[in-house]
Amino acid sequence: SQTIHQWPATLVQPVGSPLSLECTVEGTSNPNLYWYRQAAGRGLQLLFYSVGIGQISSEVPQNLSASRPQDRQFILSSKKLLLSDSGFYLCAWSGTGVLSDYGYTFGSGTRLTVV
Amino acid sequence: AQSVTQPDIHITVSEGASLELRCNYSYGATPYLFWYVQSPGQGLQLLLKYFSGDTLVQGIKGFEAEFKRSQSSFNLRKPSVHWSDAAEYFCAVGPYGGSQGNLIFGKGTKLSVKP
Repeated sequence: SQTIHQWPATLVQPVGSPLSLECTVEGTSNPNLYWYRQAAGRGLQLLFYSVGIGQISSEVPQNLSASRPQDRQFILSSKKLLLSDSGFYLCAWSGTGVLSDYGYTFGSGTRLTVV
Repeated sequence: AQSVTQPDIHITVSEGASLELRCNYSYGATPYLFWYVQSPGQGLQLLLKYFSGDTLVQGIKGFEAEFKRSQSSFNLRKPSVHWSDAAEYFCAVGPYGGSQGNLIFGKGTKLSVKP
């Protein structure tokens, strides 16, 4: 069965420090991968979307970047965190191809607090 | 334009009362429709999904949803709410592809349950 792992669960970082959040998927190949952010009371904001290794689409300009070094690994990074980067970050994957139901499976999230 | 609207930001119901959460969408063909639930501090969990066939779909935790093409709606219902149903609920529609990914999510409806 497919599983998605996201870590760390919580993170407190000072302003100006770097960030690396990791997400891995098991039990499937060539998934679509997503990074979302939730700020309090503001719903889901799509940050990055990847359809394959090295292929990243960015939905909004921001202080963050994403990379996909392997088929089932998706990394969210920042060189210098801002206070506004605080939030709840969710990784998700979905299938591809004609047999896919297009539904997403989400990780358990990372609570990032920038202080 | 492609969009998903959840008109109610916050709903409060009494335990044991019935529930209906609204979802309206804009999509050019028959959509794939999903409802997800998010407990505080957790990732999103799939409640149910619709692709084709019977327009009334059953999901987990006693939830059901009805696809009404004429109204472009996919409302979520539960006949008797339990305190554990307090959470945030997201409707999603797709597939879209492109830079937005497969699904577009509504902004969510937060459900509070009164004892």
